[in-house]
Amino acid sequence: GAVVSQHPSRVICKSGTSVKIECRSLDFQATTMFWYRQFPKQSLMLMATSNEGSKATYEQGVEKDKFLINHASLTLSTLTVTSAHPEDSSFYICSARPGVGGELFFGEGSRLTVL
Amino acid sequence: AQSVTQPDIHITVSEGASLELRCNYSYGATPYLFWYVQSPGQGLQLLLKYFSGDTLVQGIKGFEAEFKRSQSSFNLRKPSVHWSDAAEYFCAVGYNDMRFGAGTRLTVKP
Repeated sequence: GAVVSQHPSRVICKSGTSVKIECRSLDFQATTMFWYRQFPKQSLMLMATSNEGSKATYEQGVEKDKFLINHASLTLSTLTVTSAHPEDSSFYICSARPGVGGELFFGEGSRLTVL
Repeated sequence: AQSVTQPDIHITVSEGASLELRCNYSYGATPYLFWYVQSPGQGLQLLLKYFSGDTLVQGIKGFEAEFKRSQSSFNLRKPSVHWSDAAEYFCAVGYNDMRFGAGTRLTVKP
């Protein structure tokens, strides 16, 4: 199956700093990627849809200025958590698919801890 | 609006017993349907998926699921549970994006 890779898998940062998480589709091109957030013992919540070459579409309640998404190429989307605070600590997971509809392939996830 | 309901937050079964995890959805049309499993601190693993055709879908690790359009359900089953099946199970639906249910935590008793 298709492979989606996330980096870093774990990151610890100080409050007030910004953190960038990368999501790459390794063996296919993805015009659309999706970013999810998962709090401990909770489900995955869709944060935003990342569109190559255009602005991301954010779900209701997700702060666009805090969670910056850039989809600069067909194989790379980045999520930047700006001015991170402890409440931003979470497991962030990206996903992508080769076309429209069908199975989404998920990255391994990135665990962010903000001190 | 799209929604996915997993009514059971936590299920405990004995090893060797059968298992059924429930999933109901609300969607404008028949969506694509998925079941994922997640072990603690890990990413998601796809168990099975339904796009169209035969409503009984076979997946990995001995799991199967049945799509019932009349009930808007996609329940996951396994005839004999193994201790290694203990994990969190998520039902997901969607066509372009994907929405997840709240998850069901499975505990397996020896």
